Amino acid sequence: NAGVTQTPKFRILKIGQSMTLQCTQDMNHNYMYWYRQDPGMGLKLIYYSVGAGITDKGEVPNGYNVSRSTTEDFPLRLELAAPSQTSVYFCASRGQVNTEAFFGQGTRLTVV
Amino acid sequence: AQTVTQSQPEMSVQEAETVTLSCTYDTSESNYYLFWYKQPPSRQMILVIRQEAYKQQNATENRFSVNFQKAAKSFSLKISDSQLGDTAMYFCASYNQGGKLIFGQGTELSVKP
Repeated sequence: NAGVTQTPKFRILKIGQSMTLQCTQDMNHNYMYWYRQDPGMGLKLIYYSVGAGITDKGEVPNGYNVSRSTTEDFPLRLELAAPSQTSVYFCASRGQVNTEAFFGQGTRLTVV
Repeated sequence: AQTVTQSQPEMSVQEAETVTLSCTYDTSESNYYLFWYKQPPSRQMILVIRQEAYKQQNATENRFSVNFQKAAKSFSLKISDSQLGDTAMYFCASYNQGGKLIFGQGTELSVKP
């Protein structure tokens, strides 16, 4: 099992550019999450999904969009990159109640 | 509102000693779940221990145990016989039936030889 796969691992964007962070899981998990982690800080929830076709805002959704057309994929879209979006982004998935969340390896994004 | 708070940004402990990391939470749900995750310098997120709110017994996993005080909404992690490999960021997290998984700010633990 590959688990949760995020691409790319690193990316440098210019201010105003757009990009999509990809996240795929092969565990047939219903729940998927996107977090950002600033240096020395905790994980802030951006968006989450409880199943295909259903998404909801987390703690810091501004500047981001998501979609969940399949169970496996949960891409995160940045439309107009800003320096404040420089961070490490983590995707995670979880199965039924009480199971642990599995995380991708993270994407380090720098906006210059 | 669902919140998780860790009030200790940094802690240190001597190897082989015991350390306790604090976490408080708030939720309006009656059924929820609590977790401690470890993040070493590799950035990988590793589950340390989990607790179901409806279970009164405190969870234990080898050298790791929790002190779950439901009325006080407190969920502390005790690490016994600390090892150098325990050096990492530790995050407390909670999720409720709505599916939202929220993390605290983290505590950076250093185990000194």
